[in-house]
Amino acid sequence: NAGVTQTPKFRILKIGQSMTLQCAQDMNHNYMYWYRQDPGMGLKLIYYSVGAGITDKGEVPNGYNVSRSTTEDFPLRLELAAPSQTSVYFCASRPTSGTTDTQYFGPGTRLTVL
Amino acid sequence: RKEVEQDPGPFNVPEGATVAFNCTYSNSASQSFFWYRQDCRKEPKLLMSVYSSGNEDGRFTAQLNRASQYISLLIRDSKLSDSATYLCVVNRNFNKFYFGSGTKLNVKP
Repeated sequence: NAGVTQTPKFRILKIGQSMTLQCAQDMNHNYMYWYRQDPGMGLKLIYYSVGAGITDKGEVPNGYNVSRSTTEDFPLRLELAAPSQTSVYFCASRPTSGTTDTQYFGPGTRLTVL
Repeated sequence: RKEVEQDPGPFNVPEGATVAFNCTYSNSASQSFFWYRQDCRKEPKLLMSVYSSGNEDGRFTAQLNRASQYISLLIRDSKLSDSATYLCVVNRNFNKFYFGSGTKLNVKP
């Protein structure tokens, strides 16, 4: 049982390039989330999904897109990378919407845009 | 105004000390509350949920004051291994989680 996995671990992009950050979970969780964490800051929600085929915006969705074609996978797409997107990206999953249910986080992807 | 505010610290304490962190949240409709621990360059991990009646887990005690909209975390008998950043997290609308910036704790021998 791998939990939440993210690839790649590190990536350097040039301004204007695009890339997809991969996230997968093997716990059959319905709810999945993408966050970004800037240095010295808390996590900010980019997008979330309540199940396959359903996604919604979080606090900071601009510059990102997501899709959820299966329960297991929730990729995050950056179309035109900008230096402001330099950050650590965390994916998380949660079994239900129960108020006490915690989120399980992946190890993160460190992205630098130069 | 930020959804969740925390004192960034750092709190530098000796081993065995008791230390307390506070966190305030701005939206009274917030539904559930958590403390997460984040080690340097690692993902956050749940330390404990926070219940209205207060709850304890070993050396850790969490309290919630809905009227004042603040949450606290008390760590007794601090260990070197408690050194980390502690994130206050608030949930609203079931799916939206708001994180504080974290409070850094350094426990010294």
